[in-house]
Amino acid sequence: DVKVTQSSRYLVKRTGEKVFLECVQDMDHENMFWYRQDPGLGLRLIYFSYDVKMKEKGDIPEGYSVSREKKERFSLILESASTNQTSMYLCASNALGREAFFGQGTRLTVV
Amino acid sequence: GNSVTQMEGPVTLSEEAFLTINCTYTATGYPSLFWYVQYPGEGLQLLLKATKADDKGSNKGFEATYRKETTSFHLEKGSVQVSDSAVYFCALSDSNNNDMRFGAGTRLTVKP
Repeated sequence: DVKVTQSSRYLVKRTGEKVFLECVQDMDHENMFWYRQDPGLGLRLIYFSYDVKMKEKGDIPEGYSVSREKKERFSLILESASTNQTSMYLCASNALGREAFFGQGTRLTVV
Repeated sequence: GNSVTQMEGPVTLSEEAFLTINCTYTATGYPSLFWYVQYPGEGLQLLLKATKADDKGSNKGFEATYRKETTSFHLEKGSVQVSDSAVYFCALSDSNNNDMRFGAGTRLTVKP
């Protein structure tokens, strides 16, 4: 059974903290993505990566960075968390041109 | 760039009603098209897909046909059930540029 696993289901962090969200896939996919999902706004792409150490900005990269040191792992980093980053974060992976597989999501609350 | 536009919700239907959720896309190449479903409290799951023009994807009574001439991929179901209540996302995947884009999602509520 194919799998995309996000490290936490729920997280609560304080304003100004550095936050790491981890995502691991076991399908040897080239592409990995980070989205945030907010009510009424659908899925918005933060960053994606098409290879190890490669990254591309999505639609809303401000306040975020990413790291892909190994093919199976894609990390999203909030350098200094703010309350407007409270959201559901979804990781996904796919092979080129194929369907994406999603993790279960991380609901992050910044207080 | 690539983009997906889908019908805004929410959509509320009675059980056994006919469902259509419209989806149109803009793409520079020849993308694959998908419908995903998100049940309450869960992640996104692939519902159906089509990889080339005129392909019809189908699953669980849902269907969508890849129409290149109208750049559309509308989701249909002949008779909805209460258990179909969920958020539905239209998406495209472009093999030319690693892009994976989603529509804003349409919330469907089916009442008994």
